[in-house]
Amino acid sequence: SAVISQKPSRDICQRGTSLTIQCQVDSQVTMMFWYRQQPGQSLTLIATANQGSEATYESGFVIDKFPISRPNLTFSTLTVSNMSPEDSSIYLCSVDGSGANVLTFGAGSRLTVL
Amino acid sequence: GENVEQHPSTLSVQEGDSAVIKCTYSDSASNYFPWYKQELGKRPQLIIDIRSNVGEKKDQRIAVTLNKTAKHFSLHITETQPEDSAVYFCAASLTSGTYKYIFGTGTRLKVLA
Repeated sequence: SAVISQKPSRDICQRGTSLTIQCQVDSQVTMMFWYRQQPGQSLTLIATANQGSEATYESGFVIDKFPISRPNLTFSTLTVSNMSPEDSSIYLCSVDGSGANVLTFGAGSRLTVL
Repeated sequence: GENVEQHPSTLSVQEGDSAVIKCTYSDSASNYFPWYKQELGKRPQLIIDIRSNVGEKKDQRIAVTLNKTAKHFSLHITETQPEDSAVYFCAASLTSGTYKYIFGTGTRLKVLA
């Protein structure tokens, strides 16, 4: 399966600032997915990032708050903008590296917003 | 909208006993059902999956069953061990198109030694 490197692994941020999370995959993949996992909760899909096109956002998530870049087939970034304490979560990147609809997850980025 | 319900939210079993976690999905078009295990502070890891063309799949102590008519699927862990303690998530997805996974709410399994 694909190997995913995500950074930062954790960060403490001040209210009103923005943070960009990077996701690097060791193989070329068509789609990359960004999930949010709030403390003690399940995984919620934020958006799907395709290379060369705008990301597709799920209900409740908007581009102004979570802008995504996908400059090539192995890399993506998610920015959490104008952060508030409610944005404190783990953000996970995932890909289907097998081509069989099997998602592999990165280690996640744990954000704490003060 | 699409939804996956998962029960129970917490489950405690004695070491060596069996554990069963159940999920129900709403989208009848779903045809792929993975199970993920997430240990504390770690990433979710796929432990077993099943596609809609089979009713049961087994891998050592872990098995998954699927009832497409009832839109139910279940995870069975036999001979539980302390290292099975984790949060388990079920999910439902389509194997074509959006690849979108809908995750269940998770089950925290504690195996008591």
